[in-house]
Amino acid sequence: QVTLKESGPALVEPTETLTLTCTFSGFSLSAPGMHVSWIRQPPGKALEWLARIDWDDDKFYNTSLKSRLALSKHTSKNQVVLTMTDIIPVDTATYYCARMEDDHGLDVWGQGTTVTVSS
Amino acid sequence: QSVLTQPPSVSGAPGERVTISCTGSSSDIGAGYDVQWYQQFPGSAPKLLIYGNSNRPSGVPDRFSASTSGASASLAITGLQAEDEADYYCQSFDSSLSASEVFGGGTKLTVL
Repeated sequence: QVTLKESGPALVEPTETLTLTCTFSGFSLSAPGMHVSWIRQPPGKALEWLARIDWDDDKFYNTSLKSRLALSKHTSKNQVVLTMTDIIPVDTATYYCARMEDDHGLDVWGQGTTVTVSS
Repeated sequence: QSVLTQPPSVSGAPGERVTISCTGSSSDIGAGYDVQWYQQFPGSAPKLLIYGNSNRPSGVPDRFSASTSGASASLAITGLQAEDEADYYCQSFDSSLSASEVFGGGTKLTVL
C-alpha cells in the first residue's frame, strides 16, 4: 500500500524559512519513472503546483516561486524535503505531497499539512 | 490567475450529464501535453480521476470520462449522483516561460 504523509510546523513567522517533510512508504523513489510533487492550496482557493523531484534526482520548480524553493530527497529514509524561504502571509495554505508513476498522474496524495504564516 | 481556465461552477440534477471544460493554450494542452483531472471533497486531499487525457485509474467509475480537442479538455460525468458534488481540477504542463506543471482554477459541481 502506497502512503505519503506531510509534516512540518503549523505556524511560521514572516521572513522565516519553512521546511516540510514528505515521508512515504510502499514505493521507492529510486525506481525509474517515480516522482514526488508538492502542491499547495490556500484556504478556499485552487491547487497550486510547487515542485517535483524525480527518481534520477532531477528537480523542477514553479517558475514564479523557483528562487524560494529547494527540494531534496533522502532515499534511505523514504523522505522528500521541501524548503521555502522568505515566507509571507500569502504562503498560508495546506501543503500536499503526492506521487506520480510513469506520468500517470498524481495517483496517491498525502493528507496535507496546514501552514499558517503569522507573527 | 490559473493558466488553465475552468468555469467556477456547474450544476446538474441527479441522473443528468454534466461537462466541465478546461481551456489552455498552445503552450500546454494545445502543445499535446497530457491532461489529468482530480476530484476534491471539502477538507480532503484531491483524488486522481483521469490521467493521460482519458484514462481512468482502477476504481474510478466509468461514469467519469474525459477528452481533449485542440487547446481544451473536458470532463464528462454521466448519471450524476449526489456524491459527485465536489470540486474538480484539470492539470497539465505549461512549456512557456513558466515551464511547469499547472492546475486549472477548479470547478465546483453542485448536484441539484
